[in-house]
Amino acid sequence: GQQLNQSPQSMFIQEGEDVSMNCTSSSIFNTWLWYKQEPGEGPVLLIALYKAGELTSNGRLTAQFGITRKDSFLNISASIPSDVGIYFCAGLYSGNTPLVFGKGTRLSVIA
Amino acid sequence: KAGVTQTPRYLIKTRGQQVTLSCSPISGHRSVSWYQQTPGQGLQFLFEYFSETQRNKGNFPGRFSGRQFSNSRSEMNVSTLELGDSALYLCASSLGVYNEQFFGPGTRLTVL
Repeated sequence: GQQLNQSPQSMFIQEGEDVSMNCTSSSIFNTWLWYKQEPGEGPVLLIALYKAGELTSNGRLTAQFGITRKDSFLNISASIPSDVGIYFCAGLYSGNTPLVFGKGTRLSVIA
Repeated sequence: KAGVTQTPRYLIKTRGQQVTLSCSPISGHRSVSWYQQTPGQGLQFLFEYFSETQRNKGNFPGRFSGRQFSNSRSEMNVSTLELGDSALYLCASSLGVYNEQFFGPGTRLTVL
């Protein structure tokens, strides 16, 4: 089945630093989604991408839909303590296939 | 607009029992998906419903079942609970099958 490889698995960064994480797949996807999950809560949708090459921002977050449709990237600029959490990528191929999730990147921000 | 709601939020059961979890999607959303989340396995897809029909099913044993009602609310049932069923069960809703999914807070199930 389809699988997403998300990296890095975890990151420890200083407050104010920029963060990059990515998701790759051997299969193409037509939609890429990025979610953030905090302890005890469900994932919250951050950014949705629908076209190859698309670059979308949401505040300090920027995500890109890879041109090959097999990857996506998420960048967080000037990190702050509330950015702490687990970030998941998810890919959707079609309406007849379920959403596929990466295993997440755990982000820790040191003040 | 109210988000996805799941009840109960926490549940403790013993092995062999059965459990029913409930999910109310965002108003107007017709698709509901269920996921099991554990530390080791991440988010595992259970099933997806659209207009009361199961459209996709993940690789879980038949002890896991679900249904969707005409008002789009959904329930999932796990029979003959095992210790390994302890997990956070997440429900997500979307407008349609091609749209982004929005998650509820989850039901934390502990099986003793």
